[in-house]
Amino acid sequence: AQSVAQPEDQVNVAEGNPLTVKCTYSVSGNPYLFWYVQYPNRGLQFLLKYITGDNLVKGSYGFEAEFNKSQTSFHLKKPSALVSDSALYFCAVRDIKAAGNKLTFGGGTRVLVKP
Amino acid sequence: EAGVAQSPRYKIIEKRQSVAFWCNPISGHATLYWYQQILGQGPKLLIQFQNNGVVDDSQLPKDRFSAERLKGVDSTLKIQPAKLEDSAVYLCASSLWDSSYEQYFGPGTRLTVT
Repeated sequence: AQSVAQPEDQVNVAEGNPLTVKCTYSVSGNPYLFWYVQYPNRGLQFLLKYITGDNLVKGSYGFEAEFNKSQTSFHLKKPSALVSDSALYFCAVRDIKAAGNKLTFGGGTRVLVKP
Repeated sequence: EAGVAQSPRYKIIEKRQSVAFWCNPISGHATLYWYQQILGQGPKLLIQFQNNGVVDDSQLPKDRFSAERLKGVDSTLKIQPAKLEDSAVYLCASSLWDSSYEQYFGPGTRLTVT
């Protein structure tokens, strides 16, 4: 079975400071990894994904994430946070060898960026 | 490019009533997903269609939930009869057929069962 853990329910950061949102995963095979962001009363928006290749993945709005196979982690980062980055962030994993290609989401991390 | 469309956006019903949600995916996307997102949790897959065939419905409560995707385009999710614990946001998403592609989500339907 595949699973995702986001250990922090909420992350508080001052505007202009670095932002990190943690994610660890568990799959039996190799993973496809995704980050999504959700603003109030809106659906999820895709930020970035890791499929293969370079472990550092760059995505939308200045976000990036680093795939670490030995630590089974895929932490989301942004060098300088903006107030507009305040939202709910979800990490998701798909085991590429699992039947049905189901995407499993973590519980989400709320990010609050203070001016 | 138009996004994933869902309707209605909000629905309030009493327990034991029935309700239906509609989704129109992005043009050309063969795969369509319905998720249930309970407040404070991540989305949980209910059913996945590839064209008009079901790929995964292992987490769909089949005694009360049903879904169809006739003609392989838009889809309907139905709940009959509704229970209090069905209160959630129902998200529809679509993607290209390959599993490496990201999913695009609609705005969701917020269901309140009283």
